[in-house]
Amino acid sequence: DAGITQSPRYKITETGRQVTLMCHQTWSHSYMFWYRQDLGHGLRLIYYSAAADITDKGEVPDGYVVSRSKTENFPLTLESATRSQTSVYFCASSLRQGYGYTFGSGTRLTVV
Amino acid sequence: DAKTTQPPSMDCAEGRAANLPCNHSTISGNEYVYWYRQIHSQGPQYIIHGLKNNETNEMASLIITEDRKSSTLILPHATLRDTAVYYCIVPGVRGSARQLTFGSGTQLTVLP
Repeated sequence: DAGITQSPRYKITETGRQVTLMCHQTWSHSYMFWYRQDLGHGLRLIYYSAAADITDKGEVPDGYVVSRSKTENFPLTLESATRSQTSVYFCASSLRQGYGYTFGSGTRLTVV
Repeated sequence: DAKTTQPPSMDCAEGRAANLPCNHSTISGNEYVYWYRQIHSQGPQYIIHGLKNNETNEMASLIITEDRKSSTLILPHATLRDTAVYYCIVPGVRGSARQLTFGSGTQLTVLP
């Protein structure tokens, strides 16, 4: 199906484990973004990418790694998960600057 | 980034117009105003954006004052499904992309 999909929808992991959240879009949008949403903090930008092989840090990048080898995929990896990374993670894409973002349905991650 | 100010909450009767205000007094001449909304537990949804002229689409209308220091999002006939948090955003440009910074938004509750 066309659109932007995130997987998994729900994930429980243990402290110290590596976990990867997937984001896939079918529009060949140049720009992709990762946000996290916590109660009391709203949506905060983690990383973004302007094109394949181009990534930049956002507001809260510590503890996260991204890659973008293909235009359609933008995985987010927590190298060693901590409880403070328990959150809802949203991926978004945009055709180009000045266009609206389309967000995925989110991944609810719990680190125990 | 131009800072935006929105009321934390508003109520609207079903079937009536919902008018959501936003102040962005530090906006610069070439910065757009974007509106998004987030229905509980879902990813944010793009609504509309504009520069200086009023804009209308199938979801809403955007009225921007002549001095561009404020704007109003209008949902002409609010329904219960329009209950959501509405975000007014003036994207900043850092690094390689224009980024959305989400504030606290306005919680709109449409009452039956």
